[in-house]
Amino acid sequence: DAGVTQSPTHLIKTRGQQVTLRCSPKSGHDTVSWYQQALGQGPQFIFQYYEEEERQRGNFPDRFSGHQFPNYSSELNVNALLLGDSALYLCASSLIAGFYEQYFGPGTRLTVT
Amino acid sequence: QKEVEQNSGPLSVPEGAIASLNCTYSDRGSQSFFWYRQYSGKSPELIMFIYSNGDKEDGRFTAQLNKASQYVSLLIRDSQPSDSATYLCAVNAGGTSYGKLTFGQGTILTVHP
Repeated sequence: DAGVTQSPTHLIKTRGQQVTLRCSPKSGHDTVSWYQQALGQGPQFIFQYYEEEERQRGNFPDRFSGHQFPNYSSELNVNALLLGDSALYLCASSLIAGFYEQYFGPGTRLTVT
Repeated sequence: QKEVEQNSGPLSVPEGAIASLNCTYSDRGSQSFFWYRQYSGKSPELIMFIYSNGDKEDGRFTAQLNKASQYVSLLIRDSQPSDSATYLCAVNAGGTSYGKLTFGQGTILTVHP
């Protein structure tokens, strides 16, 4: 049973650039959530996708956008990168029904220089 | 007041002892509660979830929930050095925010031989 996968593992970008991160959910899951985790902090909710639509959004600027595809995989896009966007980006998959157990992928470590 | 607060660490216990991790939350409408374990440099791993008052046991782990006191805890019995990690408490809000996980800042646990 394949778990949540994310790509790439690591990424280094320059301020002002744009980045796209990718996620494939656990087999059988239909919902994808994205989180940002700064060093020494708990993950912060960015947004959640279900049925190819953004279902919920956290307190992140519009520079952060996403997409979900018919096969439930998802992308996170960040425009006009800032130094403060350097973090571990986590994708979590779940089922829309039930108690929302969310399973995380390995994450993408983004460094903005 | 933070939405989810965990007991400040780091917490150090001897091998074989019981480790007790605590978490309080502010949203009375919260529906379900999760404990994640995160090793250094890795992504969070779901170890327990609970949604009704009382205790839930899984192997060496016991989650306890008291909705009246807005309190959730995790007990680790017979602690092992391999349990050394950061433990994250996460709360699934109710109402229109259902499905959004809010995390505490984490408690670092060290189990020494």
